[in-house]
Amino acid sequence: EAGVAQSPRYKIIEKRQSVAFWCNPISGHATLYWYQQILGQGPKLLIQFQNNGVVDDSQLPKDRFSAERLKGVDSTLKIQPAKLEDSAVYLCASSRAGGPGDEQFFGPGTRLTVL
Amino acid sequence: KQEVTQIPAALSVPEGENLVLNCSFTDSAIYNLQWFRQDPGKGLTSLLLIQSSQREQTSGRLNASLDKSSGRSTLYIAASQPGDSATYLCAVSTSYNTDKLIFGTGTRLQVFP
Repeated sequence: EAGVAQSPRYKIIEKRQSVAFWCNPISGHATLYWYQQILGQGPKLLIQFQNNGVVDDSQLPKDRFSAERLKGVDSTLKIQPAKLEDSAVYLCASSRAGGPGDEQFFGPGTRLTVL
Repeated sequence: KQEVTQIPAALSVPEGENLVLNCSFTDSAIYNLQWFRQDPGKGLTSLLLIQSSQREQTSGRLNASLDKSSGRSTLYIAASQPGDSATYLCAVSTSYNTDKLIFGTGTRLQVFP
């Protein structure tokens, strides 16, 4: 089965610009996650979707970050405007149902550099 | 608030050595613990998952143990190979939010020939 797809793989922008990332989860997976991984740190959950509804966005900086999952399949994560501290790898993951112990499958990530 | 710590942060060993990576967590009310591998430019690959009721899991040359009461897990890699070079991350999910993974900062492993 195809894995989690993400694009672009790399993005370089100036601070105060906008940027969007795209994620296509594994077919049939109901739950989708966006993580932020700053260099030298472990991934931190930004937002979790169950189908097209938000389950947890407690760590999403809502003044500049937004995410949507239309039709419960693909998802986009947007940053507007970007700050220097947003430089990180943004990982998308999906799981079958998001239940206890349900394995999460990760995409390759998008590396964002904000200058 | 659950915090996960991994030591050492980096490790460089010659091929063939047996090695141990450590993970500690502050809240023992975990649902499960997972070890992941991360290669540069790639996503995370799940290596082993230990349920809170289990003591260890094994897969090939990898063995992970869990001591919930002391808040510790170890990943043992036997007969290390250059292909094992990667960053190893542990993550816990808590009893009150079983979907949410809380990651450690990782151990960057280099195995040289």
